[in-house]
Amino acid sequence: NAGVMQNPRHLVRRRGQEARLRCSPMKGHSHVYWYRQLPEEGLKFMVYLQKENIIDESGMPKERFSAEFPKEGPSILRIQQVVRGDSAAYFCASSDGTSEYNEQFFGPGTRLTVL
Amino acid sequence: AQSVTQLGSHVSVSEGALVLLRCNYSSSVPPYLFWYVQYPNQGLQLLLKYTSAATLVKGINGFEAEFKKSETSFHLTKPSAHMSDAAEYFCAVIFWSSASKIIFGSGTRLSIRP
Repeated sequence: NAGVMQNPRHLVRRRGQEARLRCSPMKGHSHVYWYRQLPEEGLKFMVYLQKENIIDESGMPKERFSAEFPKEGPSILRIQQVVRGDSAAYFCASSDGTSEYNEQFFGPGTRLTVL
Repeated sequence: AQSVTQLGSHVSVSEGALVLLRCNYSSSVPPYLFWYVQYPNQGLQLLLKYTSAATLVKGINGFEAEFKKSETSFHLTKPSAHMSDAAEYFCAVIFWSSASKIIFGSGTRLSIRP
């Protein structure tokens, strides 16, 4: 039973380019969460999505960042016009929404480097 | 405000010594509590979790944590450190009001001396 999959594992972009990060949740999971880990820091919540719906985007920067989780296919975190400060590890987690606390399972992360 | 705090960004112990990593939360209602481990350039692995059952929780790799409501703490311990325990450890919480959003502490880097 495959776990949460993220790709690419490493992504290099130049300032001003777009970055697209993909997350495939565990089989049977319809809840996806994105977290960002800046260098030498803990993970910070960005957004919580269910299929075709954004449930909580309180942690998303107001500009340049967007997320979606379509009916078919992986969840996508999109960063437009990247800047050096976007360099971080981005982690996706998924849950099936059935446990009382929505136990989340984490993917291996995508490490974004902005040159 | 609801928060989680890890005391000590870096802890160093000798191999075979006791490991103690500290975590405190701030909330009027006890949250769900977790400890995760992160090895270099890898994702997060759940070590253990407290979800209002037993206050002493046993996890993987010989780690355990005790929930103390009076101290609002959830410290992680291991009786005897092993070289393979060297990693970053994150305390994390889900508050009842946060719709499943995990709040992570800032992390504690554990080093093991031979």
